[in-house]
Amino acid sequence: DAGVTQSPTHLIKTRGQQVTLRCSPKSGHDTVSWYQQALGQGPQFIFQYYEEEERQRGNFPDRFSGHQFPNYSSELNVNALLLGDSALYLCASSSGTGANYEQYFGPGTRLTVT
Amino acid sequence: DAKTTQPPSMDCAEGRAANLPCNHSTISGNEYVYWYRQIHSQGPQYIIHGLKNNETNEMASLIITEDRKSSTLILPHATLRDTAVYYCTPRVLGNQFYFGTGTSLTVIP
Repeated sequence: DAGVTQSPTHLIKTRGQQVTLRCSPKSGHDTVSWYQQALGQGPQFIFQYYEEEERQRGNFPDRFSGHQFPNYSSELNVNALLLGDSALYLCASSSGTGANYEQYFGPGTRLTVT
Repeated sequence: DAKTTQPPSMDCAEGRAANLPCNHSTISGNEYVYWYRQIHSQGPQYIIHGLKNNETNEMASLIITEDRKSSTLILPHATLRDTAVYYCTPRVLGNQFYFGTGTSLTVIP
């Protein structure tokens, strides 16, 4: 049973460019959340998708957007990249949106903005 | 927002129990406490969670104080592979986690 998968593993972009990161949830999971983790910091919540809609959003600008597909996979898009967007981007999946459900994280995508 | 306080670092001898404390004095009544660990910037690994009762699974035990203002994660027999950053995080009904900077646990041979 595959866990949460993310692609690509690493990515290098230039300031001002746009990037798309992808996530496939663990089998049986229908909820996907995205987190940004800067070096030396804990993960910061970006947003959560359930039933193809954004349900929760953290304190991130509109440059960060996402999408969830009917098969529950998800994309994170970041426009007009800044140097400060360099981070590890983590996807996490769970079954449902309750607070008593384990959330499993993927290995992450390391984004470097130059 | 609920906040957590954890010691930045701890050492533990291999084979001994590792007790990692977490203060979450502002946690709300409906917020579960989750523990994750992260090794070398891999994705965080789920360990255990609880609301108000003590919990145990194959990885660890979780002790939550009666007033729910703090909890302790116990790794009963620490191994070198347990060296990682451990995060204690509340989880609200909206499903999001609030990670702090965690505790860097080093297991010493």
